[in-house]
Amino acid sequence: DAKTTQPNSMESNEEEPVHLPCNHSTISGTDYIHWYRQLPSQGPEYVIHGLTSNVNNRMASLAIAEDRKSSTLILHRATLRDAAVYYCILIITDKLIFGTGTRLQVFP
Amino acid sequence: NAGVTQTPKFQVLKTGQSMTLQCAQDMNHEYMSWYRQDPGMGLRLIHYSVGAGITDQGEVPNGYNVSRSTTEDFPLRLLSAAPSQTSVYFCASSYSSRGPLSREKLFFGSGTQLSVL
Repeated sequence: DAKTTQPNSMESNEEEPVHLPCNHSTISGTDYIHWYRQLPSQGPEYVIHGLTSNVNNRMASLAIAEDRKSSTLILHRATLRDAAVYYCILIITDKLIFGTGTRLQVFP
Repeated sequence: NAGVTQTPKFQVLKTGQSMTLQCAQDMNHEYMSWYRQDPGMGLRLIHYSVGAGITDQGEVPNGYNVSRSTTEDFPLRLLSAAPSQTSVYFCASSYSSRGPLSREKLFFGSGTQLSVL
């Protein structure tokens, strides 16, 4: 089955960059890579998505490997409000497949 | 524009009771879906719909029914509640008619905390 693999947890200090990795070796050629985050007691929130080339928005950047088998979500300057569980997701024929995500802790 | 609205926010049921979790969106989204999230775990897809009148099963459909009579609403029915269905339930929607779902971002509701005793 197609799935994503992420580290269980990562830590960062405030105002430092954070690189959250994800492996998705079974991704098909036309499926986008999505990242969502979930703050405590809230529903998941869209962060970014991309297909092949790197993507930037106001929240983060997404770096996609040339072979598309892995990607990295980059938070350029972590804040305390970025503490959340970050999910790297594949969409397989109308089904979003969540992994267990990476819990990001940010320290002052 | 309210986005995705889920009701109720909290619910306690006894084993064997039935109930319906409501989900409504006002963004004219074609795609809607239901997930459950158990403590310390990611979300698992229960059922989804790509448009009015069309539904399909996700990863964990047993014990749940859905219907999609309108674009706006996608209720989730628990037929006979069991303690194993104690979870947080999230509804999500997306505007997918322009192409593959994977091109679009999903909007999630704030969740329903369900406890089955």
